[in-house]
Amino acid sequence: QLQLQETGPGLVKPSETLSLTCTVSGGSISSSYYWGWIRQPPGKGLEWIGSIYYSGSTYYNASLKSRVSISIDTSMNQFSLKLSSVTAADTAVYYCTRLVTSGYYLPHYFDFWGQGTLVTVSS
Amino acid sequence: QPALTQPASVSGSPGQSITISCTGTSRDVGGYNYVSWYQQYPGKAPKLIIYEVTNRPSGVPDRFSGSKSDNTASLTISGLQAEDEADYYCSSYTSSNTPLVFGGGTKLTVL
Repeated sequence: QLQLQETGPGLVKPSETLSLTCTVSGGSISSSYYWGWIRQPPGKGLEWIGSIYYSGSTYYNASLKSRVSISIDTSMNQFSLKLSSVTAADTAVYYCTRLVTSGYYLPHYFDFWGQGTLVTVSS
Repeated sequence: QPALTQPASVSGSPGQSITISCTGTSRDVGGYNYVSWYQQYPGKAPKLIIYEVTNRPSGVPDRFSGSKSDNTASLTISGLQAEDEADYYCSSYTSSNTPLVFGGGTKLTVL
């Protein structure tokens, strides 16, 4: 069974860069899926951040694109998120996910999720 | 402001049916059959329960069903059970510059 696990600091200072890694087990990251990140501020709804294919092709949320970088390491079966210049508004539970796409690589739905990791932005 | 509009809350009694709506535009819900629904319990990761408007992943009870009319998608839960009490989110592909959007979520209370 495919499993995704987020790792990274739980506390980040304002203006610094948030960095998270997702390790995929039980399947290859070099398969026909996109891999990415969704976040959920405390008590609020879901926000898609972006997703990456093993080839390096990416989709990003336009509202975050200037601060986001998602990368993939097929040798480690991992992918990573970097979010720069963070503020308190970036405090959220961050989920790593597998994204299913259409034959034309249009995003469809998220079928596997990590358990989520809370990242707090505070000095 | 979420791109897709959902009611903040719905409620129903055990055994009843409830429907949660998800309203978008012709650029997302109305234009593509790429609507999905997720169930989330407090403190847990969301779980996919409907994809491509009407399809259920393996293991999801057939009490859960999805449909779409024009720019509004709907999730119906029939034979409501106490364990259905959770938050529900819709999502859709969109032809805008952010290709995937979520609704604001609906809290389902089983009375």
